[in-house]
Amino acid sequence: DAGVIQSPRHEVTEMGQEVTLRCKPISGHDYLFWYRQTMMRGLELLIYFNNNVPIDDSGMPEDRFSAKMPNASFSTLKIQPSEPRDSAVYFCASSLGLAGGYEQYFGPGTRLTVT
Amino acid sequence: TQLLEQSPQFLSIQEGENLTVYCNSSSVFSSLQWYRQEPGEGPVLLVTVVTGGEVKKLKRLTFQFGDARKDSSLHITAAQPGDTGLYLCRSNTGKLIFGQGTTLQVKP
Repeated sequence: DAGVIQSPRHEVTEMGQEVTLRCKPISGHDYLFWYRQTMMRGLELLIYFNNNVPIDDSGMPEDRFSAKMPNASFSTLKIQPSEPRDSAVYFCASSLGLAGGYEQYFGPGTRLTVT
Repeated sequence: TQLLEQSPQFLSIQEGENLTVYCNSSSVFSSLQWYRQEPGEGPVLLVTVVTGGEVKKLKRLTFQFGDARKDSSLHITAAQPGDTGLYLCRSNTGKLIFGQGTTLQVKP
């Protein structure tokens, strides 16, 4: 398997623009996670899905952020409108399960810069 | 809300030295995972510890789970430049959270 695939790897946009980040999880994994990583706040869980259904979105910072998973092989994280404080590395991860020793497999991340 | 505290936040050492990093919580873990993240990449799982007092070894890395399952440590023997990276602990109890991480720099 190719692992978790994320696109784009880098995104530079101006404040106020819409940004869409994309993720393809590992085939057969029932869970998909979106994280944001910054120096100040570390690695934060934004939202996770189980079988394409959002389970916990309490980490989504505000209404400007939305995430969808239309099918088992694709998810998007959208920011509209974007702000400079959204600049961070966004990771997508997938796993077979949630509890115990299930490993999360991370993608390479999307580095977002909002100017 | 469970918080994971990792220490130290940053560690810079010379090749060949030994080091220990820590992950602590006020709550009991059902299990705990350690990940390593190299620059420009996502975190990769190193180990999962489940039983209080458990010790696991991965080559030069030794992972220990506290008897009360509230803390864990990672010890690296004879560190090498390839060990450079961000070491993260992750709790699998309740909220899925990562610690802030320990950034390790091993200089040749």
